[in-house]
Amino acid sequence: DVKVTQSSRYLVKRTGEKVFLECVQDMDHENMFWYRQDPGLGLRLIYFSYDVKMKEKGDIPEGYSVSREKKERFSLILESASTNQTSMYLCASSRVLGGYTFGSGTRLTVV
Amino acid sequence: SQQGEEDPQALSIQEGENATMNCSYKTSINNLQWYRQNSGRGLVHLILIRSNEREKHSGRLRVTLDTSKKSSSLLITASRAADTASYFCATDPLSQTDSWGKLQFGAGTQVVVTP
Repeated sequence: DVKVTQSSRYLVKRTGEKVFLECVQDMDHENMFWYRQDPGLGLRLIYFSYDVKMKEKGDIPEGYSVSREKKERFSLILESASTNQTSMYLCASSRVLGGYTFGSGTRLTVV
Repeated sequence: SQQGEEDPQALSIQEGENATMNCSYKTSINNLQWYRQNSGRGLVHLILIRSNEREKHSGRLRVTLDTSKKSSSLLITASRAADTASYFCATDPLSQTDSWGKLQFGAGTQVVVTP
């Protein structure tokens, strides 16, 4: 049926590790997004991409990078994981000015 | 940054009752969207209302939009236990320089429907 797949539901990593979160969509959407969701802070945009190899910083890009080599795949990279990056990470895709389709989320714990 | 703000933050009702939640926003928009999130899962798109529309229906959902007041409401009629979730409004700001459909989400309304 769908649609946006995040590679892991739960992930535990050590401080300082390089972490890759993968997201794949099968709807040929132009836009892809990475958010993190924390209690009391809502959804905060980390990075988004509106085309292959294109990326734009969101509201909280520090400590993260992204890669979009193919239209269907958008990867979030934590260069050196820290405990304050423990969070729920949500990937989404959309057509321009359309509704988002979200993945199921990855709950990342950094210890 | 958050633009939409939902009210109330939490809502507890019984099955069969209607649930109403509101969203206020600050800047002009292309459209406003409502999403549902079940605990620990991703968000699910419910409905999109464009800035030139005033009301929209989808099943038991009714959304209104008042651009003069910069507000929207989501009504769930005849609620069920399965409607227990957090509900978020999201706005697509109207901007000359940023037209990539980058939504701004509110903090959400937590709805609990008891049998």
